[in-house]
Amino acid sequence: QQQVKQSPQSLIVQKGGISIINCAYENTAFDYFPWYQQFPGKGPALLIAIRPDVSEKKEGRFTISFNKSAKQFSLHIMDSQPGDSATYFCAAPRGRAAGNKLTFGGGTRVLVKP
Amino acid sequence: AAGVIQSPRHLIKEKRETATLKCYPIPRHDTVYWYQQGPGQDPQFLISFYEKMQSDKGSIPDRFSAQQFSDYHSELNMSSLELGDSALYFCASSLLSYEQYFGPGTRLTVT
Repeated sequence: QQQVKQSPQSLIVQKGGISIINCAYENTAFDYFPWYQQFPGKGPALLIAIRPDVSEKKEGRFTISFNKSAKQFSLHIMDSQPGDSATYFCAAPRGRAAGNKLTFGGGTRVLVKP
Repeated sequence: AAGVIQSPRHLIKEKRETATLKCYPIPRHDTVYWYQQGPGQDPQFLISFYEKMQSDKGSIPDRFSAQQFSDYHSELNMSSLELGDSALYFCASSLLSYEQYFGPGTRLTVT
C-alpha cells in the first residue's frame, strides 16, 4: 500500500517557468513532509521540509504549500533553471521515533529547457 | 559541512559472492539508515539503527545483515549476491528523528 503518491511522473518546463509537483498522503499521523532533489548517480539531497502546523514555507526559489484537510502538499520551483533538472521526491516518515523510515512518493523527473 | 561518507563508491561482484558496504554518518549523528534504489525507482528502506540498536526494518533480504558500531559507523553485509541486488545503496544519517541526510551512495553491480 503506497502511502505517499506523487504526480506528475515527469515534467518539462521552460527556463524561467514554474515547476509544480504534487503529493498526496494517506496517513494522518504523518507530521513532517520533506522534499528531496536527486541528480543522476547522486544521493538524494534534502531540499526543503514542512510541518503541518504551517500552510506554506519558502526557501529561495522553492516553496512548499500544505493543505492539511486535503492531505496534500506541493513543491513549487519558481524561475526554473536548467540546473534544476533533476528528480524530485516527496516523502514522509513513518513516525517520530528515531530511525523511522522515510516513505517516498515515486519521484518526478523535471527537465528545464533553456 | 561534513557529509555522510560511503565506501566503496563502486563495487563489482559476481553472483554468490559477498559484499560489505560502509557508512560513516555526519559527526554527532546517532541514527543511520540504509536504502536501496533501483533504476528509475524510489529509494527503498532496508534497515536503520539508533544508538547502535536496530530501530526499524524494511524489506531487507535475509541474506543481508547490518550493524552500527560504537563510533556510529555502520556496515551492510550482503551475502549470496544475486543479479537483482544490483542497485545504488544509500546510507543516510540523522540527529533529529526527521531530517535524514543521504550519502553519495555505493553502486553495486552483480555479474
